[in-house]
Amino acid sequence: KQEVTQIPAALSVPEGENLVLNCSFTDSAIYNLQWFRQDPGKGLTSLLLIQSSQREQTSGRLNASLDKSSGRSTLYIAASQPGDSATYLCAVRLRRGSTLGRLYFGRGTQLTVWP
Amino acid sequence: NAGVTQTPKFRVLKTGQSMTLLCAQDMNHEYMYWYRQDPGMGLRLIHYSVGEGTTAKGEVPDGYNVSRLKKQNFLLGLESAAPSQTSVYFCASTPNAQETQYFGPGTRLLVL
Repeated sequence: KQEVTQIPAALSVPEGENLVLNCSFTDSAIYNLQWFRQDPGKGLTSLLLIQSSQREQTSGRLNASLDKSSGRSTLYIAASQPGDSATYLCAVRLRRGSTLGRLYFGRGTQLTVWP
Repeated sequence: NAGVTQTPKFRVLKTGQSMTLLCAQDMNHEYMYWYRQDPGMGLRLIHYSVGEGTTAKGEVPDGYNVSRLKKQNFLLGLESAAPSQTSVYFCASTPNAQETQYFGPGTRLLVL
C-alpha cells in the first residue's frame, strides 16, 4: 500500500521567507504526483502536476521537484505572502492501476505566513 | 461553467437516518470520486466511477453506496448513518485517470 508522508505537519513563518515543504512516498512506481492547496472550509485546488518522467514543474512563485527513485518531492514557495496561508497536500498516482486515477494523499502541511 | 458542485453543504443527522449526497460536474468528465477527510487522517477514497453506469469500491467503502446513473452526477448514499461517518466529504472529477482531479467545495456531515 502506498504511504504518503508530509513534513512538517505545520509551519509558521514571517512574510517574505522562502519555504520548502516535503513529501515522501513508499512506492516509487508512481505515474505522477500532484500538489494541492486547501483553504479552511474549502475544497482542494490543484497547484502543480508532475509526471513521473519530469524532474520539476514551476508555476509563478511555486516550484515542485520530484525524485522518484528516492520517493521524494518538494514544494518550494518563493517570497511567501500571507495569502499563501493554507494547507498544502501532496498526492501520488501509482503506475499500477493508473487507469483508475486513484490518488493517495498525505496528511498535509498547514502553512501560516504572518505579516 | 460551475465545475464540481456538491449538495448539501452541511447536514446534521441522527444515528440510523439515511441521506444522499449529490455531486454534479459540468465538464463532461468520465471519472468521478468520493473522498472523506478526517482530522489527522488525510483524504481517503470511498468509492469511484470510471464512467456512466460503473462504480467501484475504494479504501473505505463500508457503510456507503454510490450510483452513477448520469455521467454528470455521482451520488453517495448513507443507508444508516453512524457517528463514525461524521466527516467532510469531497467529490472530485477528472477527464481521464492521468490528469488533474477537480474538487468540489465539500459537504460537512455531523452524525449525532
